[in-house]
Amino acid sequence: KAGVTQTPRYLIKTRGQQVTLSCSPISGHRSVSWYQQTPGQGLQFLFEYFSETQRNKGNFPGRFSGRQFSNSRSEMNVSTLELGDSALYLCASSVRDSTYNEQFFGPGTRLTVL
Amino acid sequence: DQQVKQNSPSLSVQEGRISILNCDYTNSMFDYFLWYKKYPAEGPTFLISISSIKDKNEDGRFTVFLNKSAKHLSLHIVPSQPGDSAVYFCAASDYGGSQGNLIFGKGTKLSVKP
Repeated sequence: KAGVTQTPRYLIKTRGQQVTLSCSPISGHRSVSWYQQTPGQGLQFLFEYFSETQRNKGNFPGRFSGRQFSNSRSEMNVSTLELGDSALYLCASSVRDSTYNEQFFGPGTRLTVL
Repeated sequence: DQQVKQNSPSLSVQEGRISILNCDYTNSMFDYFLWYKKYPAEGPTFLISISSIKDKNEDGRFTVFLNKSAKHLSLHIVPSQPGDSAVYFCAASDYGGSQGNLIFGKGTKLSVKP
C-alpha cells in the first residue's frame, strides 16, 4: 500500500505571498491532519479533515486554512506569509473510525519564507 | 502550557544495551499514547502505541509502559542498534472525546554507539 505523499517537498516563498500544499492520504484513510514542525515549538497540530469537513482545529491564525476533497486528498493554504511560517509541514492520515487509530505521516513539505 | 513533556533532549546508549525514553503528560483525558521515530528530512514513523486501559504493550524490540497514576510513559528498546539512532517523539490523544489530534512532546534524540 502506498504511503502518504506530499507535494511539493520543498518551497521557497517571500513574505506576503501565499502558498498551497498538497497531501494524498493512504488509500482507504478518510482522515487527514496537518502539523507544523519548527525547532522551537516542535510538532503542532494545525487542523484535521474527515469526509471533507474540518473536524478539529489547532491554535493557529486564520491565515492557515485547509480543505479536503471527495477522494480524501487534502490541501492546506497559508496566506500573507510571514518569516515565522518557515517550517516543515507534515500531513498525516488515519482510518479514524470509532477505535483508536494511528496516524501515518508523509515526508513533509519544507517551506522557507524569505 | 506543555501537555506532553519529554524532559531529556538527548540520550546516548551503547549498542546492545537497553534504551529507555521517558514521557510525562498532564491531561488526564488522554486515552491513547503513541511513539514515533523521526529521521532528518523525513516524516515521523509510527513505532508503537498503547491505550489507557493497558499498562504495557510490546512489539519486537520495543515495549511501551504506561503508569496512569504518575501520568508517565516510557519506551524501552532492547537491544539497541545503531539504526535506532533518531529523534523519538511521544504523542498523546483524547480519542474518547473525539479529539483525534495528536499532542507531541518535543522529542528525545537517541544516539546508539557501536
